[in-house]
Amino acid sequence: AQSVTQLDSQVPVFEEAPVELRCNYSSSVSVYLFWYVQYPNQGLQLLLKYLSGSTLVKGINGFEAEFNKSQTSFHLRKPSVHISDTAEYFCAVLSGGSYIPTFGRGTSLIVHP
Amino acid sequence: NAGVTQTPKFQVLKTGQSMTLQCAQDMNHNSMYWYRQDPGMGLRLIYYSASEGTTDKGEVPNGYNVSRLNKREFSLRLESAAPSQTSVYFCASTLTSRATDEQFFGPGTRLTVL
Repeated sequence: AQSVTQLDSQVPVFEEAPVELRCNYSSSVSVYLFWYVQYPNQGLQLLLKYLSGSTLVKGINGFEAEFNKSQTSFHLRKPSVHISDTAEYFCAVLSGGSYIPTFGRGTSLIVHP
Repeated sequence: NAGVTQTPKFQVLKTGQSMTLQCAQDMNHNSMYWYRQDPGMGLRLIYYSASEGTTDKGEVPNGYNVSRLNKREFSLRLESAAPSQTSVYFCASTLTSRATDEQFFGPGTRLTVL
């Protein structure tokens, strides 16, 4: 069975500060990992994904995430956030031959001026 | 390309009423999905369709039915709405049913059941 935990429900941060949104997954087999972003009143869109290869994955809008197998984590980072990054961020995991992702509960990133 | 479209955007129902949420995609995708999003719960899968002509239950199918009308369209029906079905509903699609495929989401339908 696959599961994903987003440790923070809300992360407030000031503009131009760095941010890390945490995601831990549970799976006994190899995994695919995704981060999606949901801007206010919109659907989700893909930020980045880890399928295989390099553990550091770069996505859109300056975000990156690092796959850490030993810690079963896939934390999302950005070195300097903008007001426009205010959104809900979802981590998702796929494993065991399933093509249906399991989504985390989401982390609300709030960027203050 | 419009991507994934959903209608209506907003809906208010009374308990016991029925309605159908419509979803269409113009990306020639094979697989389609219905999720509901509740505060603090993330996205939960209601039903999915791996390909035209097939549908399967997800995590929370009770109280819902679906129809994969053709390759483009996947509708979600509430036969007798209940307040517990107040939620935001998202339709999504993927090119295939491979695990590596990105999900493309519609803008959502905000449903309130009184």
